[in-house]
Amino acid sequence: DIQMTQSPSSLSASVGDRVTITCRASRRIDAYLNWYQQRPGQAPNLLIYAASSLQGGVPSRFSGSGFGTDFTLTITGLQPEDFATYFCQQSYSTPYTFGQGTKLEIK
Amino acid sequence: QVQVVQSGAELRKPGASVKVSCKASGYTFSAYAIHWVRQAPGQRLEWMGWINAGTGNTKYSQRFEGRVTLTRDTSASTAYVELTSLGSEDTAVYYCARGPLGNYRLDSWGQGTLVTVSS
Repeated sequence: DIQMTQSPSSLSASVGDRVTITCRASRRIDAYLNWYQQRPGQAPNLLIYAASSLQGGVPSRFSGSGFGTDFTLTITGLQPEDFATYFCQQSYSTPYTFGQGTKLEIK
Repeated sequence: QVQVVQSGAELRKPGASVKVSCKASGYTFSAYAIHWVRQAPGQRLEWMGWINAGTGNTKYSQRFEGRVTLTRDTSASTAYVELTSLGSEDTAVYYCARGPLGNYRLDSWGQGTLVTVSS
């Protein structure tokens, strides 16, 4: 199975900040990388697919980049509703594994 | 708009089975896949498998092979996951999610179904 490792596991930031979350795959996955946001008590919500494509309806302050094994999710200008947990997921080969999550908290 | 609605919470004893449903609306059910993902307390999301809602073809995570069955009823636009031989480690929130065929992102999720396994 492909292992997905996110860093950091938790992060404190303020409204208006720019934050970056990193996801590393244990082997090459080309651009088969998706990012999700999960608020407490809710289902995950797709933000970014194919490493850098913004899902419809997602604010443009979210962006993704990377290829191969290293990927980043960047949020530029944090809003109060962005404080949540973020997961990466590889869709290169089954089982489609997820990272352990990054919890973004208000400083 | 696209909606995916799951059945309600379940309580089962160890060794029993559970079947969770996932009703889709707002799109052509048979043109997409339905994936099943679970989240145990304090654990990362875990992908269980997917079903092509049009053909009925399935792909399972080896971790669940032999214990999980994915099915669908196209006339009801509903997908199902059945998990057998339940143990306490199967206590989790189970999610279904729609996925475009050919690019396996999960773009619309159900609200989740809590399955509790306890004697």
